[in-house]
Formats: sequence, structure tokens, C-alpha cells
Amino acid sequence: EPEVTQTPSHQVTQMGQEVILRCVPISNHLYFYWYRQILGQKVEFLVSFYNNEISEKSEIFDDQFSVERPDGSNFTLKIRSTKLEDSAMYFCAGGQYSGGYTFGSGTRLTVV
Amino acid sequence: AQSVSQHNHHVILSEAASLELGCNYSYGGTVNLFWYVQYPGQHLQLLLKYFSGDPLVKGIKGFEAEFIKSKFSFNLRKPSVQWSDTAEYFCAVNVPSNNAGNMLTFGGGTRLMVKP
Repeated sequence: EPEVTQTPSHQVTQMGQEVILRCVPISNHLYFYWYRQILGQKVEFLVSFYNNEISEKSEIFDDQFSVERPDGSNFTLKIRSTKLEDSAMYFCAGGQYSGGYTFGSGTRLTVV
Repeated sequence: AQSVSQHNHHVILSEAASLELGCNYSYGGTVNLFWYVQYPGQHLQLLLKYFSGDPLVKGIKGFEAEFIKSKFSFNLRKPSVQWSDTAEYFCAVNVPSNNAGNMLTFGGGTRLMVKP
């Protein structure tokens, strides 16, 4: 069964550093998403991406965050200057249609 | 905006016991409903989903859920749990639209432990 692949599985970074989280969606997916889950809290929507542009974003997705799909396969989430409160599990998801999702295994980001 | 509540945060059952996990949502219009499972150390996997039609939905691994519109509920059930069902279960909703965003709103999750 095709999978959504996320790398790295765990990243530790110092506060203020930039991080890039990478996702390889399933090849026929058209819709792409990032979600995050802070330890002990709900899974929260960050951003959705379709047709090479952001289609929706949450209040969490401020100017420190950006997404891109530079080569038609990888889908990345960049955090420009990490804060302690950015520590979370970040999930990439993709789908062929709006409303259908396959999630990746997640990247655990720890900001120290 | 829609919201989702899962009132049971932790459930402990013995093998062969029956399971029902509650999920309530708040939104006045049409919604799509989902249950996801997350086994320890693994990614979110779709158990089942409801878009329209028969409100009793059957999913993988013997799970089912019933959409009761009047109660804004979408409870997950399994008649006989196994030790391998130990996981965290998430209810989620989205609002069907032509908007390509179509974000999922998740409940807080229910951690199920099945004792052998």
C-alpha cells in the first residue's frame, strides 16, 4: 500500500534555528496538508496546499511558517526561527480529493 | 467553526469486551466524519469515514460507527476488542465544500488499553 513518507522521524534543534520538515506524498495525490500535535493536546490543522498554492491556513500558521512543493514530489514545511512552543509532532497528509487523507508517520520536532 | 469532543480520554478494557467510544461534534450543517487510529509509534490510519448514505458505517478491523444526526454524534464501536486494538483513537470532522482547503478538525483522542 502506498505511503506518505516523512523525514526525519525526529529532529532536535536550537531555539531560533530554521528547520525544514520533509514529506513525500503518494504520487497521485493532489491535496496536501500539514498538521501538528503538541504533546498531550489535539491534532491541529496548520495548512492545506493545492494546485501549487496555499488554499487554507490556520492561525497557527503565521509568518514563521512556509510550505512549498519545489520539485513536484517533495512537500516541505519550513519554520524560520523556531520557538520552544513549536515542539510537537508534525504530520503531513495527502489525498486525491478534498476530504480524503493519508497521513505520514510524523516528524517529532524538539526545540531546545 | 466546527469542534469535536471525545469525552473518554482513557479507556481500559479486557480482551473480548465490547467497545464504544463517544464522539460529538458541533456544526449546524453537513459534515464528513472520520475515525482514525494511531498505534504506538505509528502514523494515523483511517478506520472508517462517513460522507452520506447509510448512517451505520463499517470500517477495517471489525470497527463500525453510527452517525446520529439528531445527537451530533458519531460513536465508534467494536463488539469484541483484542489486545492489538491498544491504541489512540481520534474522531475528526470536516465540512464538505468546493474549497480545496477542507481541513480536518480533530477531537482530543481516546487512549484505549486492552488487557490480555
